[in-house]
Amino acid sequence: AQSVTQLDSQVPVFEEAPVELRCNYSSSVSVYLFWYVQYPNQGLQLLLKYLSGSTLVKGINGFEAEFNKSQTSFHLRKPSVHISDTAEYFCAVSERGGGNKLTFGTGTQLKVEL
Amino acid sequence: GAVVSQHPSRVICKSGTSVKIECRSLDFQATTMFWYRQFPKKSLMLMATSNEGSKATYEQGVEKDKFLINHASLTLSTLTVTSAHPEDSSFYICSARDSRPSSSYEQYFGPGTRLTVT
Repeated sequence: AQSVTQLDSQVPVFEEAPVELRCNYSSSVSVYLFWYVQYPNQGLQLLLKYLSGSTLVKGINGFEAEFNKSQTSFHLRKPSVHISDTAEYFCAVSERGGGNKLTFGTGTQLKVEL
Repeated sequence: GAVVSQHPSRVICKSGTSVKIECRSLDFQATTMFWYRQFPKKSLMLMATSNEGSKATYEQGVEKDKFLINHASLTLSTLTVTSAHPEDSSFYICSARDSRPSSSYEQYFGPGTRLTVT
């Protein structure tokens, strides 16, 4: 079984500042890793995913994440945030060959302030 | 492309009644769909995996007789909450897995359904 830990429940940041949202996972097998964004009362939108290959993954809206196998981490970063980035961000993991079942972290509320 | 819809987006029902939520993949076929439940300020909890033409697979602790899932076609899965009670009030989200190998079997999420049981 796998698990995902997002230690920061809330991250306040000023507009145009950089941000990092942390994600650590635990699994006994190889995994795929995902970051999703959720705006209020909406479903989830995929930001980016790591399946294999380069450990630095670039996604939509200027976000990127780096897979670190030794630290079992997949932190999400953006060099300069915008007010519109205010949302809930979820890290998720699925086991390779596990039928795409996703296990989600508890989410991080990113609040961008002027 | 890759749009998943849910209907209704919001529903209020009385305690003891049943309510059906539909999940449709609009422009791709999905042999597998997933149903999640999200509590306020909480993560998504996988309830069940819906497989076209066969019985759904429920996660531990989810009552299959209470949450009936039907996946009758490659583009439609339904979740019926039977004899709903106030504690069933929640945000229900579905996702559909693209059946084409070229898609890397990516999941696409619906916009969610807010269920309130009074």
